[in-house]
Amino acid sequence: QKEVEQNSGPLSVPEGAIASLNCTYSDRGSQSFFWYRQYSGKSPELIMFIYSNGDKEDGRFTAQLNKASQYVSLLIRDSQPSDSATYLCAVSRNTDKLIFGTGTRLQVFP
Amino acid sequence: ETGVTQTPRHLVMGMTNKKSLKCEQHLGHNAMYWYKQSAKKPLELMFVYSLEERVENNSVPSRFSPECPNSSHLFLHLHTLQPEDSALYLCASSQDSITSTDTQYFGPGTRLTVL
Repeated sequence: QKEVEQNSGPLSVPEGAIASLNCTYSDRGSQSFFWYRQYSGKSPELIMFIYSNGDKEDGRFTAQLNKASQYVSLLIRDSQPSDSATYLCAVSRNTDKLIFGTGTRLQVFP
Repeated sequence: ETGVTQTPRHLVMGMTNKKSLKCEQHLGHNAMYWYKQSAKKPLELMFVYSLEERVENNSVPSRFSPECPNSSHLFLHLHTLQPEDSALYLCASSQDSITSTDTQYFGPGTRLTVL
């Protein structure tokens, strides 16, 4: 079993729709959860992090965490073509090691 | 200059060459990281330095040799690489390395091709 699993996609959504990106993890001791966006040929950039169960909202982005189900998701409201990228889920225990998933490619079409 | 910078951005080398990748962070962070990103694979952590001390070596072959002369600079020395080492090498930094809540910020990466 992979430590962090993501559907590779592509996930295609129309402009203005809600994009839902999902991630599951295997280590129950995981404490911190991060979402990075990576445009093709570019480096990852942090979008959001979440530590507690529930929802965390930042602009058009909402991260949702359910530790009991070992599940973290990212919702993007009012999706724009500029949101088209690969979204990386990363999980950390109480150490310095971030474990990344392979990423989900999102395509937002006009 | 701000954030995390890396040089060179692209590097092509033969298997017998010796080269070095450079990373510099301008964020006042204490921890720096090297990652490898290959196609269709997750980001792989290679090395972690905290206050210039290596705290993590993730079973990386000895043909990769890191160096951290101070908290702002990190090098990755390369020698006798293999074609399968071709990848994007990313440097990152964070305020600290011992707490899981510290956010890591990435540099633009060096695209390495080994012929």
